[in-house]
Order: sequence, then structure tokens, then C-alpha cells
Amino acid sequence: AQKVTQAQTEISVVEKEDVTLDCVYETRDTTYYLFWYKQPPSGELVFLIRRNSFDEQNEISGRYSWNFQKSTSSFNFTITASQVVDSAVYFCALSGGSGGSNYKLTFGKGTLLTVNP
Amino acid sequence: GAGVSQTPSNKVTEKGKYVELRCDPISGHTALYWYRQSLGQGPEFLIYFQGTGAADDSGLPNDRFFAVRPEGSVSTLKIQRTERGDSAVYLCASSQDPDSSYNSPLHFGNGTRLTVT
Repeated sequence: AQKVTQAQTEISVVEKEDVTLDCVYETRDTTYYLFWYKQPPSGELVFLIRRNSFDEQNEISGRYSWNFQKSTSSFNFTITASQVVDSAVYFCALSGGSGGSNYKLTFGKGTLLTVNP
Repeated sequence: GAGVSQTPSNKVTEKGKYVELRCDPISGHTALYWYRQSLGQGPEFLIYFQGTGAADDSGLPNDRFFAVRPEGSVSTLKIQRTERGDSAVYLCASSQDPDSSYNSPLHFGNGTRLTVT
């Protein structure tokens, strides 16, 4: 069975601080995909990143960066110089299977990030 | 439209009633998904359509839940004899072919908040 654990339920920071959201996953699949989604108060889940299990390169996109470490089954997400607009619930998710299937996502419980001015 | 559209945004119904939730996916997306998000939890998979057929309905909790996608575009999630435990946000998502390694990730709508009183 697949499982995603986001141990941090809530995080509160002051604007311009850096913040890291943790994600640990469990799967028996050798091929799998990892995702991060952002859910602002409007409710829509916004796709941020997808990583496949064969690509352990870290990725940076503007103020966002992701650290994928297979050895520790972790896929952590860092926001540098946080802004109030970053306030949202962030979900880590996992899908498994060969051939690129990504329809059956297993989500963690989410981390509520509050960035205070 | 540009994104996944779900209607209604809110639905309040009495226990035992029948409800229908509608999803209009992104144009050109062949795959459509329903997820359910309970308060404080991550979304949970319900059903996946590839075209008009339900390719995987293993997430439907029981036979009171049913979904259709008769023309391969709009989908309707139907819940019979609603129970208070059905109260949740029902999220719809769409994507390009999920069995392609270069498929797009899931794009979610804003959801329908269902409250059963």
C-alpha cells in the first residue's frame, strides 16, 4: 500500500523567512511519481511539481525548490523568502505504476502554511 | 473554459436525498477523475474515466455512489440516499492520457462542497 506522511500539520512564519515542508512516502512500486499541490482558501488544488522515481535531481523554480532523496523516501519542498500569498495548504502526493500512470494519487494530510506580514 | 469547472459550488441536502454533482473538464483532456476531500484530510481517489468508460472505480465507497461520462466530456457524480458521512468537498480533475509518460498532471476544479443535514 502507498502512504504519504506530512508530519507538519501547521507552520507559521513571518514574511521573507524560508520554510521547508516535509514529505515522506512509502511505496512498493519501483516506478512512481511524486507531486506537490497547493490549495489556497479558494479550494482549487494547484499543481506545483511532478517528479518521477528515476529523477533525483533537485529542482528550483523561482522561490520554490524541491529536494528528492530516494534513500530516505523524502520529497521536501522549500519556499525561500516567503510571501503572504504563499499562505495555503500544501499537499504532497504519490502515484505508482509503470507507463507513467498518475491517475490514482495518494495524498498526505497536508500542511497549512501561514505567512504573516 | 480554461480550467476544470464544477457545479454547484455548494450543495446542502437532507439525509436520504439524491444529489448530482457536475464536472466540466479542460477541453481536450481525455481523462477525468473524481476525488473526495473530508475536512482536514487530503483528497481521496474515487473514480477515473478514460473517455466514456470508467477505467477504475475502486475508490467509490459503496453502491450509493455512481458516476457517468456519457459523451467523454462532462461527468456527473451521483449519490443516492445521502448520509451525513457523505459531507465533504468533491473534487474533479482532468488530464491528458495518464498512461503516457509525457502526460500532463491532474488539473483540479474548485470542488463542490456537499453538506448533508
